[in-house]
Amino acid sequence: EDQVTQSPEALRLQEGESSSLNCSYTVSGLRGLFWYRQDPGKGPEFLFTLYSAGEEKEKERLKATLTKKESFLHITAPKPEDSATYLCAVQSGANSKLTFGKGITLSVRP
Amino acid sequence: NAGVTQTPKFQVLKTGQSMTLQCAQDMNHEYMSWYRQDPGMGLRLIHYSVGAGITDQGEVPNGYNVSRSTTEDFPLRLLSAAPSQTSVYFCASKKGDSHGELFFGEGSRLTVL
Repeated sequence: EDQVTQSPEALRLQEGESSSLNCSYTVSGLRGLFWYRQDPGKGPEFLFTLYSAGEEKEKERLKATLTKKESFLHITAPKPEDSATYLCAVQSGANSKLTFGKGITLSVRP
Repeated sequence: NAGVTQTPKFQVLKTGQSMTLQCAQDMNHEYMSWYRQDPGMGLRLIHYSVGAGITDQGEVPNGYNVSRSTTEDFPLRLLSAAPSQTSVYFCASKKGDSHGELFFGEGSRLTVL
């Protein structure tokens, strides 16, 4: 059974204070690891897909990296508008379905 | 394109009542799914479908039924609502069995009294 653990549960940063969010996973044959952003009262919005260890993807102040056991979402010089819940999910083996972690709630203070 | 459309956005039910949450997508996606999201639990898969006429159970299927008669629609039925089904429900779709991203609807908030 696929498992995804995200840490910390919540993170409070000052504007401009860089940090990283962690996603640890256990799967049998990773097909893809996904990062989503979710704003309050909205559905999750896709950010990145990573397929193999060593891969990196960037978008504005966000950079996602992948190893064989975990993924990091690095946030460089965050702004208040980066405040949201960040979800990690994995797809494995022959399955189409995604297994999600519980999410990390990020608050960035001005 | 509207993407993934869910209705209703809010619903209050009494224990034992039945209802259907509607989900429609206009992206010609083969794969559709229903998740529920509860505080501290994350998104949990209820049912999913890899194409018209094909459905399968996810992690928490009890108390819910689905059908997939067309590519576009994937309704979720609660036959006899229970307070434990109070949650926010999300419908999501993607292309076939690809690695493609999952597109989510805006969610349906259900309260069962």
